[in-house]
Amino acid sequence: DAGVIQSPRHEVTEMGQEVTLRCKPISGHNSLFWYRQTMMRGLELLIYFNNNVPIDDSGMPEDRFSAKMPNASFSTLKIQPSEPRDSAVYFCASTFGISNQPQHFGDGTRLSIL
Amino acid sequence: AQSVSQHNHHVILSEAASLELGCNYSYGGTVNLFWYVQYPGQHLQLLLKYFSGDPLVKGIKGFEAEFIKSKFSFNLRKPSVQWSDTAEYFCAVLPQTGANNLFFGTGTRLTVIP
Repeated sequence: DAGVIQSPRHEVTEMGQEVTLRCKPISGHNSLFWYRQTMMRGLELLIYFNNNVPIDDSGMPEDRFSAKMPNASFSTLKIQPSEPRDSAVYFCASTFGISNQPQHFGDGTRLSIL
Repeated sequence: AQSVSQHNHHVILSEAASLELGCNYSYGGTVNLFWYVQYPGQHLQLLLKYFSGDPLVKGIKGFEAEFIKSKFSFNLRKPSVQWSDTAEYFCAVLPQTGANNLFFGTGTRLTVIP
């Protein structure tokens, strides 16, 4: 079975540019999570969707960050405008909605903002 | 607020040494507990999980963890580490609130010296 698929794997761009990260959850999963991983702060939950609806976005750093889930098989995390401090690895994870199920992670997108 | 503490930031062991990584959490209700492993340059993979029942759970690759409710702890153990266990290990807690918010510790980096 295909796991969680994220694209791109790596992105390097200049500050001020718009960045869009993509995620395809595992088929049948109805909960999707976006995390950010940095050396300083470890893994932080940014936003969580259930049945395509954002449930908790309290981890989104600021208005420059936005996330959408237009359907059950696709989500995007957008940063506009990007800043160097946004450089991190961004992980997407999915699970079936019952809360005692483990989350399955994608390979992550390594984002570098110059 | 819920929190997860991993007090060991970096552990260095020789091959065949025994391993114990600490994990403590602060949440008064029912929780599910997880250990994830992240090998260099890879995504998080589930090592083991605890939902209910026997507090000693066995995971992949010879890892086990013991849930001690009175101590709010879920320490990870392995009797004899291998060089291939070099990775970062994350403890995670999922409070049973009906939401699906997974709280991660800051991680422990394990370096195994051949």
